[in-house]
Amino acid sequence: DVVLTQSPPSLTVPLGQPASISCRSSQSLVYSDGDTYLSWFHQRPGQSPRRLIYKLTTRDSGVPDRFSGSGSGTDFTLEISRVESEDVGVYYCMYITHRCSFGQGTRLEIK
Amino acid sequence: VQLEESGGGLVRPGESLRLSCAASGFIFRNYYMSWIRHLPGKGLEWLGYVSSDGTITDYASSVMGRFTVSRDNAADLLHLQMNSLIVEDTAIYYCATGPWSFDHWGQGTLVTVSS
Repeated sequence: DVVLTQSPPSLTVPLGQPASISCRSSQSLVYSDGDTYLSWFHQRPGQSPRRLIYKLTTRDSGVPDRFSGSGSGTDFTLEISRVESEDVGVYYCMYITHRCSFGQGTRLEIK
Repeated sequence: VQLEESGGGLVRPGESLRLSCAASGFIFRNYYMSWIRHLPGKGLEWLGYVSSDGTITDYASSVMGRFTVSRDNAADLLHLQMNSLIVEDTAIYYCATGPWSFDHWGQGTLVTVSS
């Protein structure tokens, strides 16, 4: 099974400053069709997770362009160019083919 | 698109529970569906999925043999049968479209396993 390791476990960022979350996979996430099925999710307290990014780099509808996904092979990154108050919560990377797996999450707080 | 889980509650260790997820607003029978849980104070855990026609399932190693995912496409319902529950199964359980998507999630239902 794919194991995803996120870092850092938590980060505190001043409003308007950038944030970066790393997700490392135990094996390549490039699927047989050539796509990389790595997604990023955001979960606010008391809410269901919301998908932000799919297929490594594609933002979901309504997701601000200050969110971006990048990476290749086994190393992936979610970047927030300017953190806003609504961004607090926990971020998860997820491998979404057949037998899926989540990273352990990164908690984002505002300084 | 709407997904609404039901069936959660308080059960004793060793007991069984069946969760349901009612789907609306999309063509349910065309989508693979998954169950995911959020363990208290911890992260998200994918549990298993069922193919669009219900013929293929797969599970996380942690629940294989105890949990069963099934669906009723005529009624737009997804189910999770959980047997031999243990305290560590206490969590909020979500249904979601996926694998391959996870763009739609339910609001979750709480399962508490306690003696």
